[in-house]
This record gives sequence, C-alpha cells and structure tokens, in this order.
Amino acid sequence: SAVISQKPSRDICQRGTSLTIQCQVDSQVTMMFWYRQQPGQSLTLIATANQGSEATYESGFVIDKFPISRPNLTFSTLTVSNMSPEDSSIYLCSVLQGYQPQHFGDGTRLSIL
Amino acid sequence: SQQGEEDPQALSIQEGENATMNCSYKTSINNLQWYRQNSGRGLVHLILIRSNEREKHSGRLRVTLDTSKKSSSLLITASRAADTASYFCVLTGSARQLTFGSGTQLTVLP
Repeated sequence: SAVISQKPSRDICQRGTSLTIQCQVDSQVTMMFWYRQQPGQSLTLIATANQGSEATYESGFVIDKFPISRPNLTFSTLTVSNMSPEDSSIYLCSVLQGYQPQHFGDGTRLSIL
Repeated sequence: SQQGEEDPQALSIQEGENATMNCSYKTSINNLQWYRQNSGRGLVHLILIRSNEREKHSGRLRVTLDTSKKSSSLLITASRAADTASYFCVLTGSARQLTFGSGTQLTVLP
C-alpha cells in the first residue's frame, strides 16, 4: 500500500493566519481526499483533490477558506485560511489506488490561539 | 451521502474479553468498511465487506452484514490493551468518498 507523508504533524497558529498542509505519496494514486476531524468528533470530508483542476468541495466547505492544490498524482496541499479557534482540528489526507481501500496519512493536529 | 450510526458510543472491557460494535445505516450500500483510529492519529483500514457477503474474518476480527436489517457488526475476540482505539463504520459514496459514522471508543483494560 502507498506510504503517505503528511506535514506538518502538528502546529499552533495565531488567529487570522493561514497554514498549508502537505500530503506526499510514494507512488501515483488515483484519488486524494482531505478530511477534517474536530475535537471529539468523527471525520468529515472537506474535498476531493483533483489533479490538474479545481478540487470538488463538500457542502459547508469553500475554496476561499480551504484552497487545495494537486499538481501531480503524488502530491497535494490543503491551506486553512484566515484561521479562527473553530478551525482547531486534525486534518487528514487520504489516497485511493485502484480498488484498494483508502489509506490515510497520520494527520496534522492544528491548534489556533 | 448517508452516514452509519454506531452503537455503543463507548465500550470498556477487560483484556481477553470480546468486544462487539454495531452499525446501522438507512439506504442500500455496495460495501461497508471498518477503520480504527488510535489516539487521534491516522486511520487504519480493518476490513471491507461487500453487500453480497454476510460474514468476513480477518485474524481476531469478525464482521457481519445484514442488508435486510441495514446493519453491520464488528467483533473483536480475545481483546488486548493494544486494541484500545476508536472504531468507525464507513460507507462509500458514489464518487468513492468515505462517510464516517460517529465511532465507538473501545477501552481494553489490562
């Protein structure tokens, strides 16, 4: 299965700033996704990162707040913009190769002061 | 997309006992998956069961699926302290996106 490297693993940020999270895979994958897990909650899909085109966002998530890039088949970034304490969460990327189960990175634990 | 509902929300057992978690859903599915998450870290895929399967085993894990009742269960036999984690019932959407249930927090006491 693919090896996923997600960076940073954690960060503490000031209100109003932005943070870009990187997801690197060691092999080409069909699909990449970004999820959010708020404290004590389950995972919610933010968007599907599309290679070479705009991401597909789920209801309640917008590009201005969570811009996503996917320049190739092994790399994607998620930016959390203009952060507020409500954005404190774990952000996880996942990848899909063919018909294999989705595999997840270790996540980025983000705290906003 | 629909979400599985899990029961119980929390479960505490002694090492060596069996743990059973249940998941119910509302509409038809192609498959259902179970994932584990240790201490808020990344998720580990445990098992996938297809709609035409009734039972599946993987090591100490046993998953059942009853499509007529729209429910699934995950059984962990002979539990260990290392099984302490959150367990999620996961449904797959038409665009292969995953929808997670609320999860069951399992604590295995030594």
